[in-house]
This record gives sequence, structure tokens and C-alpha cells, in this order.
Amino acid sequence: EDQVTQSPEALRLQEGESSSLNCSYTVSGLRGLFWYRQDPGKGPEFLFTLYSAGEEKEKERLKATLTKKESFLHITAPKPEDSATYLCAVESGGSQGNLIFGKGTKLSVKP
Amino acid sequence: SQTIHQWPATLVQPVGSPLSLECTVEGTSNPNLYWYRQAAGRGLQLLFYSVGIGQISSEVPQNLSASRPQDRQFILSSKKLLLSDSGFYLCAWSVQRQPPLHFGNGTRLTVT
Repeated sequence: EDQVTQSPEALRLQEGESSSLNCSYTVSGLRGLFWYRQDPGKGPEFLFTLYSAGEEKEKERLKATLTKKESFLHITAPKPEDSATYLCAVESGGSQGNLIFGKGTKLSVKP
Repeated sequence: SQTIHQWPATLVQPVGSPLSLECTVEGTSNPNLYWYRQAAGRGLQLLFYSVGIGQISSEVPQNLSASRPQDRQFILSSKKLLLSDSGFYLCAWSVQRQPPLHFGNGTRLTVT
């Protein structure tokens, strides 16, 4: 069964304190791994797609990386506005474009 | 550019009442459309997806149904709501069978 596990569930950082979020997955034939940001009471906002091990994508203070078993979302020198829940999702070979989501990591950045 | 609209934003309904949530997409043709539910402490759960008008696939047996009467319109319905139907309902679209999915801002449903 395809599965996505995110850790930690919650992460509190001081402004400027860099860290990483983890997404481990078990899927039959990974077609893509996706990172989203979700603010309270809003729908998830798409951040990145990663397709193959070794691939990296960057956007401002965020960098996503992918291995054969997991993905990391690195946050460099975070600011309070980076506070949100970050969701990881995978598309497997037999999913017809549907995504399987992890439960997310709630990030809080204090000034 | 493409936009997705979901309404209402919040809804409080008594147990046993009917439900209709609507979602429309603008700026694209023949999208894949999705209904997800997000419960506290749980990940997003796929409820229904549609690859075309009148074509609905259900992922989870439940008290809900979905319909796609027009290319860019997706409706989530129930004849009689249960307490367990409470949650945050999200509509999403993608290019045909090609993620990523793009989400609306959701409907917070509380069944009392």
C-alpha cells in the first residue's frame, strides 16, 4: 500500500534558525513527489515537484531534495511569515494522477 | 490564468439535512477535478475525482456523492448528513492526469 509519512508533526524555530522537514514514502513506482504549503483555513498552495532521486528545487528560503526513499524540505534562515503547515504528497504509477498526502508538519517561526 | 472557486467558505448544518458544495474552475478546459476532505490530525483524504463530464470515481465508500454536470463544475452532495461528515472540504483541479493539483480555499463544514 502506498504511504507517506512526514516528520516531525510540529516544529518550532527561532527566526533565522535553519532546519529540515522530512517526508518518507513507500510507493509502487514513484511518478512525482510534491510539496505544498497550507495556511490556516486555506487550501494548500503548490510549492515544488520532484521527479527523480538527486533532483533539487529552490524557492526563496526553501529547498526541496529527493532520494529514493524520502524527501527533505530545507528552510534556510526562516522568517515568521514562513509559519504554516507543509504537506508532502506522492503520485504513484497506478494512481492516474491522484495524489497521496502525508499529515503534514506544522512549522512555527518565532521572531 | 486559471482560478478555482469554492463556496460556501463555512457551513453549519444539522444532522440529517442535505448538502451541496460547489466548485468551478476558470481558465482551463477538460481539467481533472477532485474532492478531498481534511480532518483534524489526518492527511488529505481523496473522496472523488473526475476526468470528464459525468465521469466520477469514488475512492471511499461513504455518505457523500459527487457530480460533474459541466466541464468546469464539480459538486459534492449528501442526502442526509452525519456528524462524521464534519471537516474541511477541498476542491482541486489539474491538467488531465498530470499533477500538481491546484486547490481552492475550502469549505469548513460543521454538522451539529
